Amino acid sequence: QKEVEQNSGPLSVPEGAIASLNCTYSDRVSQSFFWYRQYSGKSPELIMSIYSNGDKEDGRFTAQLNKASQYVSLLIRDSQPSDSATYLCAVLGSTGFQKLVFGTGTRLLVSP
Amino acid sequence: GAVVSQHPSRVICKSGTSVKIECRSLDFQATTMFWYRQFPKQSLMLMATSNEGSKATYEQGVEKDKFLINHASLTLSTLTVTSAHPEDSSFYICSASGASGRHNEQFFGPGTRLTVL
Repeated sequence: QKEVEQNSGPLSVPEGAIASLNCTYSDRVSQSFFWYRQYSGKSPELIMSIYSNGDKEDGRFTAQLNKASQYVSLLIRDSQPSDSATYLCAVLGSTGFQKLVFGTGTRLLVSP
Repeated sequence: GAVVSQHPSRVICKSGTSVKIECRSLDFQATTMFWYRQFPKQSLMLMATSNEGSKATYEQGVEKDKFLINHASLTLSTLTVTSAHPEDSSFYICSASGASGRHNEQFFGPGTRLTVL
């Protein structure tokens, strides 16, 4: 089992719809979770961090965390074509050195 | 806040030469810096973790003598690819953590695209 799993996609949604991106992780003691957006040919950009169970909202983005189910999700409301990118879920490893464990990413395509 | 820069953004070199890539945290002191490599259509691969003033910790399979990392200050880390070969051609990205109030968050530089001829 991979440490951080994501569906590779592509996830296709029409403009204006809600995009739902999901991620599961295997390390039960993980406490810090992050979503990064990576456009093709560019480096990752941090868009959300979440540490507590429940929802965290920032503009059109909502991160959801359920530690009991070892599940993190990212909702993008009112999706725009400019949201088309690969979204990386990252979990802070519990083995020290502050290393992030990344999923392979979900490619999101928002069609006009 | 929490801006990380990298230089150069793109480099083309001949096989056998060495290339140095700089990573700077511009508006915060980075207690830890990380170096990643990403091949086309693949995921990020962590190469090494470095803390200011101490030796880098390399991931399994990464040759420490080939990829020299120096973290001389809280705002600067360098990666030197020694005796580069075409198979070292890749997208090298650094990240930094330690920004005040940004609990464990890593901020990435824009990356350096290395092409070895």
